[in-house]
Amino acid sequence: DGGITQSPKYLFRKEGQNVTLSCEQNLNHDAMYWYRQDPGQGLRLIYYSQIVNDFQKGDIAEGYSVSREKKESFPLTVTSAQKNPTAFYLCASSLGPGQPNIQYFGAGTRLSVL
Amino acid sequence: AQTVTQSQPEMSVQEAETVTLSCTYDTSESDYYLFWYKQPPSRQMILVIRQEAYKQQNATENRFSVNFQKAAKSFSLKISDSQLGDAAMYFCAYRSSSNTGKLIFGQGTTLQVKP
Repeated sequence: DGGITQSPKYLFRKEGQNVTLSCEQNLNHDAMYWYRQDPGQGLRLIYYSQIVNDFQKGDIAEGYSVSREKKESFPLTVTSAQKNPTAFYLCASSLGPGQPNIQYFGAGTRLSVL
Repeated sequence: AQTVTQSQPEMSVQEAETVTLSCTYDTSESDYYLFWYKQPPSRQMILVIRQEAYKQQNATENRFSVNFQKAAKSFSLKISDSQLGDAAMYFCAYRSSSNTGKLIFGQGTTLQVKP
C-alpha cells in the first residue's frame, strides 16, 4: 500500500535527550513536511524539504533538526534545546511544492517528556 | 503574513442534518489555495475538499461543499446529510501560490454528530 509511515506512534523523552521521529513515504513524492500540533491549536510547520539534500526552516524550527538523504525519508530530531517538546507530530508529503499539489499526512507520533 | 481563523471551537449537528463550519483568512495575495482537512479520533489528517482561488465556482465533493467568498476572504464548509462518521476536528488551511508548499492552518473546529 502506498502511504506515509511514521514511527514510533508514541515516544518518551528524558531531560537532555535527543530523540528522532521517523517518516517514510513510498508515494514517490518530492516534497516532505513536518508539523507540530498542540492542544487547541492548528498545525504549525517545523521544517520542509522540496528535494533530496535540501531543506528549509518553517515557523517553529528552533530546537529541531532534519535531514533528507533519501527521497523516501525525512527524519525529525527533537534536540535537548527544545524546552517544550510534548506535542503531536505529523509528517506530510506532496508531489512537489508547485500547485495544486495536495499534502498527504502520516498517522503521527505523540511525544511526551518523562 | 497570512493567517487563518476558525471562530467556532465546537459545533454539533443532528444526524442527517446540515452544518456549516466557518473559516476566514487574511492575505494580500490574489492566487492561492484553500483546503478543509478532517482529523478523526485516529488523528490522521484527511483531505476533505480544496478550492483554487482563481476559480469562481465553489468546490463540491459528495456531501461536502464550500462557500468561497474571495472578496470577504471567507471559506466555509457545508456538510449535508451529516453522518456519525463525520464527527471529527476540521481544519481550514491556506496555501500560497509560492513554491514552498507550506500550509497555514486554522485552530480547528470540533464537530459532534448526535444520533
